[in-house]
Amino acid sequence: EPEVTQTPSHQVTQMGQEVILRCVPISNHLYFYWYRQILGQKVEFLVSFYNNEISEKSEIFDDQFSVERPDGSNFTLKIRSTKLEDSAMYFCASSELGDTQPQHFGDGTRLSIL
Amino acid sequence: GQNIDQPTEMTATEGAIVQINCTYQTSGFNGLFWYQQHAGEAPTFLSYNVLDGLEEKGRFSSFLSRSKGYSYLLLKELQMKDSASYLCAVSRDSNYQLIWGAGTKLIIKP
Repeated sequence: EPEVTQTPSHQVTQMGQEVILRCVPISNHLYFYWYRQILGQKVEFLVSFYNNEISEKSEIFDDQFSVERPDGSNFTLKIRSTKLEDSAMYFCASSELGDTQPQHFGDGTRLSIL
Repeated sequence: GQNIDQPTEMTATEGAIVQINCTYQTSGFNGLFWYQQHAGEAPTFLSYNVLDGLEEKGRFSSFLSRSKGYSYLLLKELQMKDSASYLCAVSRDSNYQLIWGAGTKLIIKP
């Protein structure tokens, strides 16, 4: 069964450094999402992406965050200058259509900021 | 505002049945999803309801009442592997964002 893949599985970075989290969505899916989950807390929406542009973003997704689809398969989340509170699990998800279709999640990247 | 409420934690016995409730108040409604999340893993899709009524899928069933802003997930013949968090999420109109509940941690005892 096709799946969403994320790399790396774990990223450790010094505060203030830039990180890029990578995702390969399911190939025929058109909608892409990034979520984060701080340890022990709820899943939080960051951003959705469709047709090569952001369709919606949350208040968490401020100027330090950006997303890109650099080619036909990858979908990346960049955090420009990481803070301690950015430490979380970051999940990428994709869906075939929009809001009535289930989102399929990758295994996540655990980001640890030191 | 947007609000989704679920019990924080529930305990049930292996082989039994458990019902996990979810109530929501959102500006717009275009369907409700249930996801399962094992500790340290990604959420996995369980069910989607957009019309009132019961959707059955094997040991899992999900019910929706739009007029009451209420859904439940019913798990039958509980197995130890069902120990996980169960997340309720609502899709709003004209929007791609899912509004997530905090999840219900289900503990299965032998």
